[in-house]
Amino acid sequence: NAGVMQNPRHLVRRRGQEARLRCSPMKGHSHVYWYRQLPEEGLKFMVYLQKENIIDESGMPKERFSAEFPKEGPSILRIQQVVRGDSAAYFCASSPLRGSWETQYFGPGTRLLVL
Amino acid sequence: DAKTTQPPSMDCAEGRAANLPCNHSTISGNEYVYWYRQIHSQGPQYIIHGLKNNETNEMASLIITEDRKSSTLILPHATLRDTAVYYCIVGLHSGGGADGLTFGKGTHLIIQP
Repeated sequence: NAGVMQNPRHLVRRRGQEARLRCSPMKGHSHVYWYRQLPEEGLKFMVYLQKENIIDESGMPKERFSAEFPKEGPSILRIQQVVRGDSAAYFCASSPLRGSWETQYFGPGTRLLVL
Repeated sequence: DAKTTQPPSMDCAEGRAANLPCNHSTISGNEYVYWYRQIHSQGPQYIIHGLKNNETNEMASLIITEDRKSSTLILPHATLRDTAVYYCIVGLHSGGGADGLTFGKGTHLIIQP
C-alpha cells in the first residue's frame, strides 16, 4: 500500500510564475489536507478537501492560492504569480475519515523555491 | 484552541529513555493531547494521543498529569533514528471543529551516539 505521494519533490520558480503541486492520497482515502511549513516554523493548515469539494479553506491566503481535488486524479495546490515569500515546504496529508487527526498520513512534501 | 509550550531542543543518549515535556495549561475538558514527530526532510508522523489516562503503543508512552495541564512523551529506548522535531498538539478528538492540525515549533530531540 503506497503512502501519500507528492510531486515534484523540489520545484524552482521565478517570481511571477505559476507553481502547481500535486498530491496523490493513499488508496481508499477521500480526504486531503494541505499544509505549509515556512523555514524554521511548524506546519500551518491551509485547506481541507474531499473529492470535488473544498470543505475548509480558512488557512489559505486570499489571493493567488487555489486548491482542487477532482473526481479523478491527484489533488492540486496552485500558486499563481509566486513571490519569494511563497518559498516553503508544502505537505499534503490524506485520511479515510473526516477530522481524524490520528489517521492523517503525510506525504514527503514539495519544497518550493522562488528566485 | 488551547496552546502548548515545549522546550526548543533536548539531547538524549542512545539507548536511554527520552522524556519530552509539554505544557498545555489552558486545555479544556474535552480536548485531547496529540504527539507527532517530523524527521528531517520528511512529513510529520503521528505517534500517540490521549485524553486523561496514560497511553502506550509500539512507538511511545504518553503520561498526562492528573490536572491535565501538562504531559510527557516517553521514548523508552531512544535510537539515532528518533532524532526529529516532536510536536505536542491539543484539540478535540477527531478534529471536532478544526479539521486541520496546527503545529507549533516543537522540540528538536537529538539522540547522541
